[in-house]
Amino acid sequence: DAKTTQPTSMDCAEGRAANLPCNHSTISGNEYVYWYRQIHSQGPQYIIHGLKNNETNEMASLIITEDRKSSTLILPHATLRDTAVYYCIVRVGGGTSYGKLTFGQGTILTVHP
Amino acid sequence: GAGVSQTPSNKVTEKGKYVELRCDPISGHTALYWYRQSLGQGPEFLIYFQGTGAADDSGLPNDRFFAVRPEGSVSTLKIQRTERGDSAVYLCASRQGIDPNYGYTFGSGTRLTVV
Repeated sequence: DAKTTQPTSMDCAEGRAANLPCNHSTISGNEYVYWYRQIHSQGPQYIIHGLKNNETNEMASLIITEDRKSSTLILPHATLRDTAVYYCIVRVGGGTSYGKLTFGQGTILTVHP
Repeated sequence: GAGVSQTPSNKVTEKGKYVELRCDPISGHTALYWYRQSLGQGPEFLIYFQGTGAADDSGLPNDRFFAVRPEGSVSTLKIQRTERGDSAVYLCASRQGIDPNYGYTFGSGTRLTVV
């Protein structure tokens, strides 16, 4: 599975948009981009995923560049409860590696009042 | 239940003892995963079950670690002769299937402390 690079930490003011970048320059054509977050003392929580097209759900938007080498997770109106570690994960959608997610260090997002 | 349940939530054991960690996945979820998370690190894959069989156990660190899922639902992670380095949060996740559009639902984990 492709390796991802994320900033170690980011800050955001409450009510503003939080834009979390992820670099995955070695991504292959059959690899999906997944975002999870982990709030302190809880298990990771699924946010969103995509292959090529931009995606939006009730939690966030995912913008994938045309060459798919990077993506941005957007939390449109960050709240204090969005303070968490955010993981960008790239993995094959099927085949022998379909069983596992490979987590990196993630980005610690801190939302300030 | 509605989510993935892990018991116990906390376990303190002495070095050299045997421990069992339990995971109750979401009903009907055929895929089950165990991960381990050390302090300040992201979760690390241990083993994956599709139904009753371990389809990928490449993440188990050594032969002291073993996991079963005899009836394709509840899974137990077993650690023999525990070492202080085994101290971590052990996370379980389940999925409805292996389609990439099925998300993973994680439990809150079991915090294992080996003293």
